[in-house]
Amino acid sequence: DGGITQSPKYLFRKEGQNVTLSCEQNLNHDAMYWYRQDPGQGLRLIYYSQIVNDFQKGDIAEGYSVSREKKESFPLTVTSAQKNPTAFYLCASSMRGEKLTGTEAFFGQGTRLTVV
Amino acid sequence: AQKVTQAQTEISVVEKEDVTLDCVYETRDTTYYLFWYKQPPSGELVFLIRRNSFDEQNEISGRYSWNFQKSTSSFNFTITASQVVDSAVYFCALLTQGGSEKLVFGKGTKLTVNP
Repeated sequence: DGGITQSPKYLFRKEGQNVTLSCEQNLNHDAMYWYRQDPGQGLRLIYYSQIVNDFQKGDIAEGYSVSREKKESFPLTVTSAQKNPTAFYLCASSMRGEKLTGTEAFFGQGTRLTVV
Repeated sequence: AQKVTQAQTEISVVEKEDVTLDCVYETRDTTYYLFWYKQPPSGELVFLIRRNSFDEQNEISGRYSWNFQKSTSSFNFTITASQVVDSAVYFCALLTQGGSEKLVFGKGTKLTVNP
């Protein structure tokens, strides 16, 4: 079945360590996104990528890095520079639609990162 | 710049009441898509509906209906005869297809349906 896979679902890390969150999709979608959600808050865009080997900063990119070496994969690294990394992270992908062609964003199940 | 505003942070209703969740968007692109997602307590985002900018027809799906009005840049969501299982956070989102393709979300509306 097609979809987006985020792993792991729960992740614990010590303060000061970098950690990489995985996001893989087999939907042949061009665009991929990473969002952060804090308790009781909305989704804030961290990074997004419209094509392979290209990505743009979202609203809260500081302390994060990404790569897009393959169309299917868009890993997010939470670096030690991120002051408050504990949060719920969601990955999404979507297709570039032509006019009048539907495009739908699909989401992974999320990774809950806790830094202790 | 693209922006989605969900002015209602929290709504609380009693079961069987109708409830409307508001969504106002901003974009300069002529081609865009609007979405509603439901986020239950488990955290995953459940897709509810997608609308493209060229289709202003309203849609009804069971107890759910959506009112898309380009003149007011709004895409409101109504739940008729609400049920306890409708309790969740609901997000409105905008995906633009112009020069800067980006999927942006509103801050969400937390809906609590009490028995």
